[in-house]
Amino acid sequence: KNQVEQSPQSLIILEGKNCTLQCNYTVSPFSNLRWYKQDTGRGPVSLTIMTFSENTKSNGRYTATLDADTKQSSLHITASQLSDSASYICVVSATMNRDDKIIFGKGTRLHILP
Amino acid sequence: NAGVTQTPKFRVLKTGQSMTLLCAQDMNHEYMYWYRQDPGMGLRLIHYSVGEGTTAKGEVPDGYNVSRLKKQNFLLGLESAAPSQTSVYFCASSYHTRAYEQYFGPGTRLTVT
Repeated sequence: KNQVEQSPQSLIILEGKNCTLQCNYTVSPFSNLRWYKQDTGRGPVSLTIMTFSENTKSNGRYTATLDADTKQSSLHITASQLSDSASYICVVSATMNRDDKIIFGKGTRLHILP
Repeated sequence: NAGVTQTPKFRVLKTGQSMTLLCAQDMNHEYMYWYRQDPGMGLRLIHYSVGEGTTAKGEVPDGYNVSRLKKQNFLLGLESAAPSQTSVYFCASSYHTRAYEQYFGPGTRLTVT
């Protein structure tokens, strides 16, 4: 069964600290993995996309990693800011018979305290 | 470019009433989607469209209908609203298949009493 599991469910850290969010998946055949950021009351916005051959990708203070062998991804946030308070959603795509399916994780809710 | 817009932003319905949610995109995207988001459940696909005049069922289609008469618009209809349809509804679009980046609208918060 195709699944995407994210941990932790929620996380509270102080402004300026680093944090890492985890995503484990059992999606097959793997096509790509995206991390989305969803601010409260708004729609998700894509942060990064990882394909099978990519191990690391950065977008400013956000760095995503992918281990296709263990089917794990992480999103590392450096020097957190108050604006990083949001939900972070891991989304994995599978392509089968020319039909793409995407599986959403339930997200990690991140709170940054001043 | 406005991107993806949704109307209305909020709505309260009584059980049994009907309504239509409108989604519009100005990016000339082929694919459009309707999702619902409930606490602890994540985003779930209701219906989607791979092009003008086409629609397909997602994972939770019961109680909803959709239409894509124009490429830029995707309508979600509730014929007889139920309290279980209380949720936040998001529309999204992508240039091509679902594996491409999806651009989301701001959401519609619907309460059915």
